[in-house]
Amino acid sequence: AQSVTQPDIHITVSEGASLELRCNYSYGATPYLFWYVQSPGQGLQLLLKYFSGDTLVQGIKGFEAEFKRSQSSFNLRKPSVHWSDAAEYFCAVVTIGSNDYKLSFGAGTTVTVRA
Amino acid sequence: GAGVSQSPSNKVTEKGKDVELRCDPISGHTALYWYRQSLGQGLEFLIYFQGNSAPDKSGLPSDRFSAERTGGSVSTLTIQRTQQEDSAVYLCASTKKVDGSYNEQFFGPGTRLTVL
Repeated sequence: AQSVTQPDIHITVSEGASLELRCNYSYGATPYLFWYVQSPGQGLQLLLKYFSGDTLVQGIKGFEAEFKRSQSSFNLRKPSVHWSDAAEYFCAVVTIGSNDYKLSFGAGTTVTVRA
Repeated sequence: GAGVSQSPSNKVTEKGKDVELRCDPISGHTALYWYRQSLGQGLEFLIYFQGNSAPDKSGLPSDRFSAERTGGSVSTLTIQRTQQEDSAVYLCASTKKVDGSYNEQFFGPGTRLTVL
């Protein structure tokens, strides 16, 4: 069975500093990988996704992620964090089987941005 | 265009009562999912509907939980005899295949259920 691990429960970063959120997955085949963001009181918004092709994926809000098969990782990065990036971030992988595509989520990483 | 909508946005109920949560997927999306987001459990899959196929109920935590999808569109998640551990945010998502391949899931804002 597939699983997603986000090792960091909480990260605090200064505004303007760089941010990297870690995600490791366990999956037997090439995964479909996602990063979602959830701001307080809001639903989940897709930041970016990896299905195939270029392993460096660009997303919205200046985020990018790199798929590294050898490390089973899909880390999310942003060069310069804005106060509005304070939110909870979820890495997810799609389970492909029996023609369904259930998302399996990591536990999430809460990002706090300090002035 | 309109996204996934859910109602109510908040629901407070007493232990033992039944509740119904509604999801309106994006028009034309054939697949619909329910997830639950609770403290200590994170985000977990509950149930999946795809077209006219039998739903995948493998994530439902107990037989108090059920869901239906009428006419391939609106879905209702029903929790009978609610317990305090059912308190969570219930998220609905929909998607459709593009060129026969998987596409991203679009999430609704969720229904926050509080069982007193």
